[in-house]
Order: sequence, then structure tokens, then C-alpha cells
Amino acid sequence: AQSVTQLGSHVSVSEGALVLLRCNYSSSVPPYLFWYVQYPNQGLQLLLKYTSAATLVKGINGFEAEFKKSETSFHLTKPSAHMSDAAEYFCAVSEGSGGYQKVTFGIGTKLQVIP
Amino acid sequence: EAQVTQNPRYLITVTGKKLTVTCSQNMNHEYMSWYRQDPGLGLRQIYYSMNVEVTDKGDVPEGYKVSRKEKRNFPLILESPSPNQTSLYFCASNRQGPRDTQYFGPGTRLTVL
Repeated sequence: AQSVTQLGSHVSVSEGALVLLRCNYSSSVPPYLFWYVQYPNQGLQLLLKYTSAATLVKGINGFEAEFKKSETSFHLTKPSAHMSDAAEYFCAVSEGSGGYQKVTFGIGTKLQVIP
Repeated sequence: EAQVTQNPRYLITVTGKKLTVTCSQNMNHEYMSWYRQDPGLGLRQIYYSMNVEVTDKGDVPEGYKVSRKEKRNFPLILESPSPNQTSLYFCASNRQGPRDTQYFGPGTRLTVL
């Protein structure tokens, strides 16, 4: 069974500081991995995804993530936090084939950016 | 504009009164899913559908029904809602399967008294 662990349900960083949101996964097959962002009172939107191509994935708004198979990790980073990055971030693992699709989300990490 | 719409956005109801939350997408996507979001639990998959008349259970299907009679619509039905179904519900769609990005609706906040 697949699972996702996001360490830290709340993370605070100063504006301009490095953002690091952690995600570890388990999957019985090579996974597809996603980071989604949720702004207040909105649905989720894709930040970036890994689908077995390059292990370093660049997304929108300056975010990137690196797939590390040996560590079963897919941590999200951004070199310099901006006030507009304050949101909740979800890591997700997806697997399936032939019409079967199972998507498992982590519990989410709320990012607070301090001026 | 490509989008997933849900209605209603907010709903307060009472235990046992049947309700339906509608979901519609205009992107001709094959896959559609329903999730519920609860504090400390993240999003959990309720049901998904890979095509018209093809649906399957997710992680938390108890107390819910779905149907997929048309490609664009995927309603979520609570035949006898209970207070433990108070939650924020999201519908999502994607084109081809597990490697594809999901597009989410704006959410439906349901309160069952």
C-alpha cells in the first residue's frame, strides 16, 4: 500500500529565507509524485510533478523538488520565500494502470511567511 | 475557460436528509475523483471514475455513492448524511490516469447537524 508522510504540519520561515517542505513516500511500484498548493478558500493547484523523467523537477513560482529513490523522498524547496507563498502544501503519490488510479495525499504543511 | 465546477459551495443540512453535490468539468477528461479534506488527515479519496459508467472505491467510500452517466459530470450522493460526513469536499479531473495532473474544483463545505 502506498503512503505519504509530510514532516511538519506547520512551517514558518522569514521572508527571503529558504523554504524546505519534506515529503517521504512508500510505494510498491515506481511512483508518480506531485506537489499541490492550496490557497485559502480555494481548490488545489499543481506546483510540480515527477513522472520518471528528470529527478530534479522545476515548478511554478520558483519551487523545485528532487526525487531521491534511495531516500524515498520528494522534498519541496524554494531559495527565497515570498509573502505570497503562504499557503498549504500537499505532497501526493499516484499509482495505477489499466484504468486503476489510486492517489494518496499527505496531511499537508501550512507554510507561514514572516515579514 | 478550462475548469471544474462544484455546486453548492456551502451546504448545511440535517442528519438523514439525502443530498447531492454536483461536479462538472469542461476539459473532456476521462478520470474524475472525489476527495474529502479534514484537518490533520489531508485529502482522502472517496471514489473515482475512469470513464462513463465505470467507477471504483477509494479509501473512504462508506456512506457515499457516485454515478458517471455523462463524461463531464460526476455527482456525489449522500443518501443518509451523518455528522461524521461534515467536511470539505473536492472534485477533481484528469486526462489519462495516474501520471496526469489533477484539476480541482473550488470545494464544497458540508455541515451535517
